[in-house]
Amino acid sequence: EDQVTQSPEALRLQEGESSSLNCSYTVSGLRGLFWYRQDPGKGPEFLFTLYSAGEEKEKERLKATLTKKESFLHITAPKPEDSATYLCAVRGGGADGLTFGKGTHLIIQP
Amino acid sequence: NAGVTQTPKFQVLKTGQSMTLQCAQDMNHNSMYWYRQDPGMGLRLIYYSASEGTTDKGEVPNGYNVSRLNKREFSLRLESAAPSQTSVYFCASKPDIRTGWGGYTFGSGTRLTVV
Repeated sequence: EDQVTQSPEALRLQEGESSSLNCSYTVSGLRGLFWYRQDPGKGPEFLFTLYSAGEEKEKERLKATLTKKESFLHITAPKPEDSATYLCAVRGGGADGLTFGKGTHLIIQP
Repeated sequence: NAGVTQTPKFQVLKTGQSMTLQCAQDMNHNSMYWYRQDPGMGLRLIYYSASEGTTDKGEVPNGYNVSRLNKREFSLRLESAAPSQTSVYFCASKPDIRTGWGGYTFGSGTRLTVV
């Protein structure tokens, strides 16, 4: 059974204070690790897909990295508009669909 | 460029009532999914459809039925609603991997309360 654990559950940062969110996973036959952003009352918004250990992807102030057991979402010099819940999910070799973690609720204070 | 459209956005049902949640995508995606999101539980897969005419159970299918009406539309039906089905329901779609990959696209959700 695929499993995804995200930490911390919640994180409060000052504007400009860089940090990282963690996503640990166990999966049989990884076919992709996904990062999504979710704003209150909205659906998840796609950020990145990573496929193999060592892969990195960047988008504005966000950078996602992947190892064989975990992924990190690095946030550099965040702004208040980066406040959201960040979701990690994996697609394994079994049934179709994604297995999600519970998310990290990120608050950036001005 | 609507993406994934879900209706209704909000619904209140009484225990035992039935209803159908509608989902349509305009991206010509083959695969479609229904998830539910509960506080502290994360998103969980209810049913999915890998292509028109096929459906399969996900992690939490009990109490639900689905219909893949055509390539665009995938509906979720609650035959006899229970309070445990109070949740936010998300529909998602995914393109054929051979035609490109940009991640699963999610709708904006249906917030369902069963009283």
